[in-house]
Amino acid sequence: DVKVTQSSRYLVKRTGEKVFLECVQDMDHENMFWYRQDPGLGLRLIYFSYDVKMKEKGDIPEGYSVSREKKERFSLILESASTNQTSMYLCATTASYEQYFGPGTRLTVT
Amino acid sequence: GENVEQHPSTLSVQEGDSAVIKCTYSDSASNYFPWYKQELGKRPQLIIDIRSNVGEKKDQRIAVTLNKTAKHFSLHITETQPEDSAVYFCAASKQYGQNFVFGPGTRLSVLP
Repeated sequence: DVKVTQSSRYLVKRTGEKVFLECVQDMDHENMFWYRQDPGLGLRLIYFSYDVKMKEKGDIPEGYSVSREKKERFSLILESASTNQTSMYLCATTASYEQYFGPGTRLTVT
Repeated sequence: GENVEQHPSTLSVQEGDSAVIKCTYSDSASNYFPWYKQELGKRPQLIIDIRSNVGEKKDQRIAVTLNKTAKHFSLHITETQPEDSAVYFCAASKQYGQNFVFGPGTRLSVLP
């Protein structure tokens, strides 16, 4: 059974703070993804990674960066959080064609 | 790039009726089309998928159809039950394990 965990379920940060969201998977998958989910917009891809040290921009990378130092861990970084980054953030990993999602982190930036 | 549209955005049906959700995609190179169900407060989970070499796939009360020429695919749920109430997302992907483009989601409510 694939297990994808995220460091926090709920997070409240202030504008301008640096924010780290961590995702860990236990299935030795190469591919990992970060999405944000907003009502009426579905899941939008922020960044993805197909291997350690490798990263690719998704559809909405502005204001975000990522880090993949180890295969099992993929971190999303908000360099200077802004209120428009208030959202649900979902990490995912793939096995075969299926994407397995983490439980999500609901981030509020005040 | 790929663009996936999904309709309707909300859908209410009576228990026992059928529900149909439709998606269109723009990139003819897309070849894999999954459907995810997200219950309130939970993570999205794959419920059914279809590859471009197949026109229809069925799994108990759930079926998906694909029209490659028209670039659209649909989710069909028969004999709906209250536990089918959730948000459903369609998606399109071009390659094995590659990033998906998701539709905006459909909130399905099954009324008892």
